[in-house]
Amino acid sequence: GENVEQHPSTLSVQEGDSAVIKCTYSDSASNYFPWYKQELGKGPQLIIDIRSNVGEKKDQRIAVTLNKTAKHFSLHITETQPEDSAVYFCAASGTNAGKSTFGDGTTLTVKP
Amino acid sequence: NAGVMQNPRHLVRRRGQEARLRCSPMKGHSHVYWYRQLPEEGLKFMVYLQKENIIDESGMPKERFSAEFPKEGPSILRIQQVVRGDSAAYFCASSRGPQEANVLTFGAGSRLTVL
Repeated sequence: GENVEQHPSTLSVQEGDSAVIKCTYSDSASNYFPWYKQELGKGPQLIIDIRSNVGEKKDQRIAVTLNKTAKHFSLHITETQPEDSAVYFCAASGTNAGKSTFGDGTTLTVKP
Repeated sequence: NAGVMQNPRHLVRRRGQEARLRCSPMKGHSHVYWYRQLPEEGLKFMVYLQKENIIDESGMPKERFSAEFPKEGPSILRIQQVVRGDSAAYFCASSRGPQEANVLTFGAGSRLTVL
């Protein structure tokens, strides 16, 4: 089955700096890669996703890059703000596979 | 749109009791997934259901756990004879199907504590 590894497990940055979180996956059949943000006591919220036919996607301060050859994808947050502090999860799944495999999460702390 | 609704939000059970967790998917969504999150860990897939069908239960323990998504009403995750190791947050997610089956919207979760 699919295996997703996520690094780092914790990340602390100063407000205004950039944050990068990286994930690798094992199953070459995976072709959908979402990122979720989970705040304390809440469910994961989809913040951005990318499909395998695209190498990069951007939404305001958030971007995701995908390298299918190397089987890794990354989340980039620019101009970080304290409200970006949360746990971020990457995931991988195949089209219509019906289930996603999640990384173990990265706790991001943005210091004011 | 009320989103994915889960209840109860918090549930306390003693060892040996039963826990029932309910999930109503988003309007227009016909696929339901259950994930378990242990403290300070990631989400682990348990089961994937469509109305009246279990599509994939490869992540669900073989004993004590069951799930259903009846024609009418919410999806239910049932844990019989709970043990302390069942203490976790249980998240339900839903998606449209079949073309967007893996685009998930999560509920706020049900936090089970077993005493």
